[in-house]
Amino acid sequence: NAGVMQNPRHLVRRRGQEARLRCSPMKGHSHVYWYRQLPEEGLKFMVYLQKENIIDESGMPKERFSAEFPKEGPSILRIQQVVRGDSAAYFCASHDRGLFSTDTQYFGPGTRLTVL
Amino acid sequence: KNEVEQSPQNLTAQEGEFITINCSYSVGISALHWLQQHPGGGIVSLFMLSSGKKKHGRLIATINIQEKHSSLHITASHPRDSAVYICAVRDYGGATNKLIFGTGTLLAVQP
Repeated sequence: NAGVMQNPRHLVRRRGQEARLRCSPMKGHSHVYWYRQLPEEGLKFMVYLQKENIIDESGMPKERFSAEFPKEGPSILRIQQVVRGDSAAYFCASHDRGLFSTDTQYFGPGTRLTVL
Repeated sequence: KNEVEQSPQNLTAQEGEFITINCSYSVGISALHWLQQHPGGGIVSLFMLSSGKKKHGRLIATINIQEKHSSLHITASHPRDSAVYICAVRDYGGATNKLIFGTGTLLAVQP
């Protein structure tokens, strides 16, 4: 049973380009969280998604950032027109909210975005 | 003031020492997590607690809900325990289960 997968692991973009970060949750998990870890700072919640639904995006910057979790395929965090301040590690976590769920969130290895 | 505070921020120990990392929080929570992050690496969930105490190998986690405080203990510490340890609380009553994180404790265990 593969864990949470994220790709790419490292992403370099120039200012103004788009960054697409992918997250495949653990098998059977239908809930995904995205967290951001800025350099020298703690992790911060960005968005919580269920399949085809955004449940809570209160941590997402209002502009340039969007997230989706389609019925088929991975969850995507998209950053348009990246700026240097977007350089960070982006972590995805998944969990199952079924009847016997432990509510434990399982983290992916992260994508380290560098904006030049 | 951060909703989740950890202490110390940095900790250096000699191999074999007993280590304690503390976490205090100011919000209502439904559960508290202890996470481990190696430099440049991913995040591993060590414990999820809502009351009492849990033990896994050399790691022990305790929580006092009334005092809004949790501790992570490492017995017989080893250099491979060197990592950042992060306390995170799950927002009480929130339907989202989102986590609020402390800034982490950087532990270095020297041989």
